[in-house]
Amino acid sequence: EVQLVESGGGLVQPGGSLRLSCSASGFTFSSYAMHWVRQAPGKGLEYVSGISNNGGTTYYADSVKGRFTISRDNSKNTLYIQTSSLRAEDTAIYYCVKGRGLGVLSSPLDHWGQGILVTVSS
Amino acid sequence: AIRMTQSPSSFSASTGDRVTITCRASQAIGTYLAWYQQKPGKAPKLLIYAASTLESGVPSRFGGSGSGTDFTLTISCLQSDDFATYYCQQYYNYPSTFGGGTKVEIK
Repeated sequence: EVQLVESGGGLVQPGGSLRLSCSASGFTFSSYAMHWVRQAPGKGLEYVSGISNNGGTTYYADSVKGRFTISRDNSKNTLYIQTSSLRAEDTAIYYCVKGRGLGVLSSPLDHWGQGILVTVSS
Repeated sequence: AIRMTQSPSSFSASTGDRVTITCRASQAIGTYLAWYQQKPGKAPKLLIYAASTLESGVPSRFGGSGSGTDFTLTISCLQSDDFATYYCQQYYNYPSTFGGGTKVEIK
C-alpha cells in the first residue's frame, strides 16, 4: 500500500523558512516523479512544485519560484521542499503527491498524503 | 502557464441525476487532463486521467471526455457519496495547473 506522510509544518513568521518532508513507502520511490500541491484554507488546489524520479528535473509554480526548492533523497525514500521568504499567502495545507507514470514527470497524480498545515503569521 | 477554467463553480443536484462538469484549457493540451474528487477534510482522489481513462477502483458511473481545449466529467447517476468538489488538472505542460473546482451540493 502506498503511503505518503508529510512532516515539518507549523506556524512561521512572515519572511521565515520551513522545510517540509514526505516519507514514502509501498512503492519504488526512485522510479516515480513526486510533487507538492497546496490548498489555502477554503480555496482550490494549487500546484507548487515537481521533481523527476532521479531529481534531475524540477518545476515550480511562478508563485513560489525563487523561494521554494524541491529535492529528494532516493536512498531515504523522502521528498523535501525547502521554503523561504514565506508570505501570508503561502498559508495552506501542503500535500505530498506521487506521479502515476513510471519514470515520467508529466503524469496525473495518483496518491496523495494526508497533508500538513503551514501557517505564515506574526 | 496554462489556465484551466471549470464551470459551473457550484451547483445543486439530487441523487440519481446525471451531472456534467466542464473544464476548458487556455491552450490545447491533447488529452493530458485528469479529474479529481475531494471531500471536506480529505486529500483529493484521482478519478480519471488521459481525459477518459477511469482510475482503478473508480465506479463506472464516472466518465470523462474531450481533447484539445474542452473537456467534460459526467456522473451518470449521482450517488450520495458523490457530493464533493471536483477539480480538473492539465499535465501537458509543467508547471501543472488545476481548475478552480466545482462543488456538487445536495438539492
